[in-house]
Amino acid sequence: QSALTQPASVSGSPGQSITISCTGTSSDVGTYNLVSWYQQHPGKAPKLMIYEVNKRPSGFSNRFSASKSGNRASLTISGLQAEDEADYYCCSYAGNSLWVFGGGTKLTVL
Amino acid sequence: QVQLQESGPGLVKPSETLSLNCIVSGDSISSYYWTWIRQPPGKGLEWIGYIYNSESTNYNPSLKSRVTISVDTSKMQFSLKVNSVTAADTAVYYCARAQYDHAFDIWGQGTMVTVSS
Repeated sequence: QSALTQPASVSGSPGQSITISCTGTSSDVGTYNLVSWYQQHPGKAPKLMIYEVNKRPSGFSNRFSASKSGNRASLTISGLQAEDEADYYCCSYAGNSLWVFGGGTKLTVL
Repeated sequence: QVQLQESGPGLVKPSETLSLNCIVSGDSISSYYWTWIRQPPGKGLEWIGYIYNSESTNYNPSLKSRVTISVDTSKMQFSLKVNSVTAADTAVYYCARAQYDHAFDIWGQGTMVTVSS
């Protein structure tokens, strides 16, 4: 069970769009539509922002969207705002009652 | 509104046992995956394991030999024990809830545990 692969960092200017990738294997991301994404601000607990690949919890901004193709999931943030600067983590169910997280991506809003 | 609150010692000596509790308020402690997740300083999240329906457990294979998760329904809390700790177990430990969608929708605030003599 290896961690999912995410870029260490991404950046964008206010108003722009960015995409964060999350690459797994046929044993996790590729098999299960149970990919979730979490936003974590410094010193805070992670917060669920996407579940079941592309669903948003009520109250979460529609500037955040996500998708999956094969073994790769993606999170897109449109209309970047300063408050989007945070760490983002993907997570996938990996079968056999196991979960695996990505290594995390630091988003910098320039 | 469901809330989770971790508690336990902030400092544990090497080779000893790390013990944490997570109190659940605002919901039943049954029928969910009550989970522990940790984050070493400056690093990413690591799934530790869960307890489901008060009896079924599963653990990260990398930690399985040292970890036990249990539940006390009368106290509305679930617990984590990690045996034979080393400095590598130093982390912020979070308790969290997952539902049928396998996403962690509720998190505790986290508690920092340092392993040091």
